[in-house]
Amino acid sequence: QQQVKQSPQSLIVQKGGISIINCAYENTAFDYFPWYQQFPGKGPALLIAIRPDVSEKKEGRFTISFNKSAKQFSLHIMDSQPGDSATYFCAARIYNQGGKLIFGQGTELSVKP
Amino acid sequence: DGGITQSPKYLFRKEGQNVTLSCEQNLNHDAMYWYRQDPGQGLRLIYYSQIVNDFQKGDIAEGYSVSREKKESFPLTVTSAQKNPTAFYLCASSDHSGGEDEAFFGQGTRLTVV
Repeated sequence: QQQVKQSPQSLIVQKGGISIINCAYENTAFDYFPWYQQFPGKGPALLIAIRPDVSEKKEGRFTISFNKSAKQFSLHIMDSQPGDSATYFCAARIYNQGGKLIFGQGTELSVKP
Repeated sequence: DGGITQSPKYLFRKEGQNVTLSCEQNLNHDAMYWYRQDPGQGLRLIYYSQIVNDFQKGDIAEGYSVSREKKESFPLTVTSAQKNPTAFYLCASSDHSGGEDEAFFGQGTRLTVV
């Protein structure tokens, strides 16, 4: 019940295209949904995050869409660039459990020039 | 610069040895976490600490131990009881104030059993 399921496992997009990564969860106690970006050999870095009372959040080329009733959320990367090539993780936080994050399995994105 | 420092970056362990991974933060965060990353499995929580001298097991605590004697430091010991320790280990901290408090990650330690 504490799992976060992420898909696809890998994604290849042409430069300028839209990258879409999906996540689903079961636990309604999650109160915060961040997305992290990780480059090879580095630690993850926060990209964008959303609370469940908001249906969409946009920051530059990155947008989170959140569907509370379906328990699904997704990351959209508009005008994808080769520099966006990285592994992306969705996550969910349970506030009353020390703020720990439950991560999805990750999506390896490759943007082709 | 504020941030999280993990050391060493690479670590090699012989069978039967205990090794300790260092994690230091100067962000004045109360909460600290240790995650393990394996290919295709995302990040899995090993241990976390919300306050000095207190910590809780995560999902995969067996074979690991931690201490939290200082707010800035949260070392992880990989014991000989951990049967498959080869992985990328990530330390994180957060303010955990209840808002959209970001978890900051270190650059990781890659542990290899030789």
